[in-house]
Amino acid sequence: DVKVTQSSRYLVKRTGEKVFLECVQDMDHENMFWYRQDPGLGLRLIYFSYDVKMKEKGDIPEGYSVSREKKERFSLILESASTNQTSMYLCASSFQGRGIYEQYFGPGTRLTVT
Amino acid sequence: AQSVTQPDIHITVSEGASLELRCNYSYGATPYLFWYVQSPGQGLQLLLKYFSGDTLVQGIKGFEAEFKRSQSSFNLRKPSVHWSDAAEYFCAVSGYSGGGADGLTFGKGTHLIIQP
Repeated sequence: DVKVTQSSRYLVKRTGEKVFLECVQDMDHENMFWYRQDPGLGLRLIYFSYDVKMKEKGDIPEGYSVSREKKERFSLILESASTNQTSMYLCASSFQGRGIYEQYFGPGTRLTVT
Repeated sequence: AQSVTQPDIHITVSEGASLELRCNYSYGATPYLFWYVQSPGQGLQLLLKYFSGDTLVQGIKGFEAEFKRSQSSFNLRKPSVHWSDAAEYFCAVSGYSGGGADGLTFGKGTHLIIQP
């Protein structure tokens, strides 16, 4: 079974703090993704990565950065957390190749910024 | 740009009744379509996917979906729902980017409520 794990299920941070959300997958997937989920808005893509040290902006990258130093690990960084970044954050991974492969999701991190 | 519309925010169905959740997509080429389910407090689980071929696809938990190109739709169906089907359902579309990563574009979700 594909396993995507996220470092925390719940996180509470203060405005202005630097926040790291970690994601690890154990299936040797090339692609990894970060989404945020908000009620009434569905899931929106923040950043994705198709290889180590490679990254691409998604639909809502402002206020976020990412790091992928190892194939299995993809980190989302909030340089200076703000209250409008309170949300559920979901990590996903998939194979890469000739075709489209489904994405496998982690359980999510619910981040509250106060 | 691709987009997905799920017109029903909430749907209430009696246990044992049939279910259809609607999904319309906008995409310039052949789409790759997915349905995911999210139970409370959980991540997303893939129910089924459509890439090509037979337009009626079978998924897990007794779900199926039909791709209709002429209507730009990919509706999810189940003949008889169970109380455990209560969850949030997301339709998503992706394009083929030549082997690179491709993020999914999701609809806003349909919240399914099951009445006893």
